[in-house]
Amino acid sequence: GAVVSQHPSWVICKSGTSVKIECRSLDFQATTMFWYRQFPKQSLMLMATSNEGSKATYEQGVEKDKFLINHASLTLSTLTVTSAHPEDSSFYICSAVEHEQYFGPGTRLTVT
Amino acid sequence: AQSVAQPEDQVNVAEGNPLTVKCTYSVSGNPYLFWYVQYPNRGLQFLLKYITGDNLVKGSYGFEAEFNKSQTSFHLKKPSALVSDSALYFCAVRETIKAAGNKLTFGGGTRVLVKP
Repeated sequence: GAVVSQHPSWVICKSGTSVKIECRSLDFQATTMFWYRQFPKQSLMLMATSNEGSKATYEQGVEKDKFLINHASLTLSTLTVTSAHPEDSSFYICSAVEHEQYFGPGTRLTVT
Repeated sequence: AQSVAQPEDQVNVAEGNPLTVKCTYSVSGNPYLFWYVQYPNRGLQFLLKYITGDNLVKGSYGFEAEFNKSQTSFHLKKPSALVSDSALYFCAVRETIKAAGNKLTFGGGTRVLVKP
């Protein structure tokens, strides 16, 4: 149980375009999901807390207009990177909460 | 504010030898402590957690961790390391106070390299 999926697992996009990443809890409902960013050989940096039915809570320094989060249902949260730039290239990981956090497999974003 | 420190960027160990990955934490209240493992280009896999009770916690893949309140440590251990244990290990802490929500604070990670 407690499986979290992410789609896509990797994506390449051009500078200036937007890309959407999905995070799904497959066998449980999650009112709270988290989005993390991980740079090579570094730890996870919490970007935002996604709450079903309400606005996401962003960590300090994270641009909410650039990283749009929508938690439309109890099993799905999406992260949209708008007007992507090469510096947005990173590994994005989501987690969903059912008592504890369960992590998705991550999405590798490369912006060219 | 809560924080986690993993003092070693990398740990090298020969296969069959004991493995220890160090973690110390700082929280204002009682901690929930976690260990996760990450393989290349993958998400985090849960290994074990401490909430309360016995200070020695047993987890997945033969790993265990010892909670030491006086030293504010939660070191991860495995009696006999395998080459397949080579990965990136993260310690994390969550405060038990309700206002903190479910936010985890992660340490910087320790890369484990087990040589045959």
